[in-house]
Amino acid sequence: SQQGEEDPQALSIQEGENATMNCSYKTSINNLQWYRQNSGRGLVHLILIRSNEREKHSGRLRVTLDTSKKSSSLLITASRAADTASYFCATETYNNNDMRFGAGTRLTVKP
Amino acid sequence: ETGVTQTPRHLVMGMTNKKSLKCEQHLGHNAMYWYKQSAKKPLELMFVYSLEERVENNSVPSRFSPECPNSSHLFLHLHTLQPEDSALYLCASSQDMGRSSNGYTFGSGTRLTVV
Repeated sequence: SQQGEEDPQALSIQEGENATMNCSYKTSINNLQWYRQNSGRGLVHLILIRSNEREKHSGRLRVTLDTSKKSSSLLITASRAADTASYFCATETYNNNDMRFGAGTRLTVKP
Repeated sequence: ETGVTQTPRHLVMGMTNKKSLKCEQHLGHNAMYWYKQSAKKPLELMFVYSLEERVENNSVPSRFSPECPNSSHLFLHLHTLQPEDSALYLCASSQDMGRSSNGYTFGSGTRLTVV
């Protein structure tokens, strides 16, 4: 069953702007991960944040986690046209044998 | 290449055909997964294998039959599929089941069209 739910479903911005995507989930988690998918391709792991962490950075990516609100956000700074892709959050829980994904946010960065 | 290779990349099959999807990883991972991705829907977990043993079958119809002959290879055997089975089928692996400290590694997927 679906665990993460991304918001918005689609986001269109100009190159150079920042993009923020949100993810909400329902149950207690072990960690939350963000993935990127270019059209018709596999998912690529971007960043993992553990349940005892609040913020994590990787290059132009910044992820926050609020376990009290069961939500996370992914911020991409100074976006580029090459950032155009779908972005998914996924959660690992203590009980499941796998990760549960949301339906994703489709990001379009216009040059 | 991610280290997880899926073949074929594209497959068109009739409803009476039998075909197989193949996934291969040489990352030394112990867990492998099949996911189905349909348009505008979340990824659906189909099967989980850990150390070559199936540990989860997520209510998948019997027309999909997985096989894991060793820890590096995973197959999905298909027979008498329906048009609604058309989707992108993704294989993934992780170091261990359910505890992916480095995330999952995905293949590029097989785009399946059932006609």
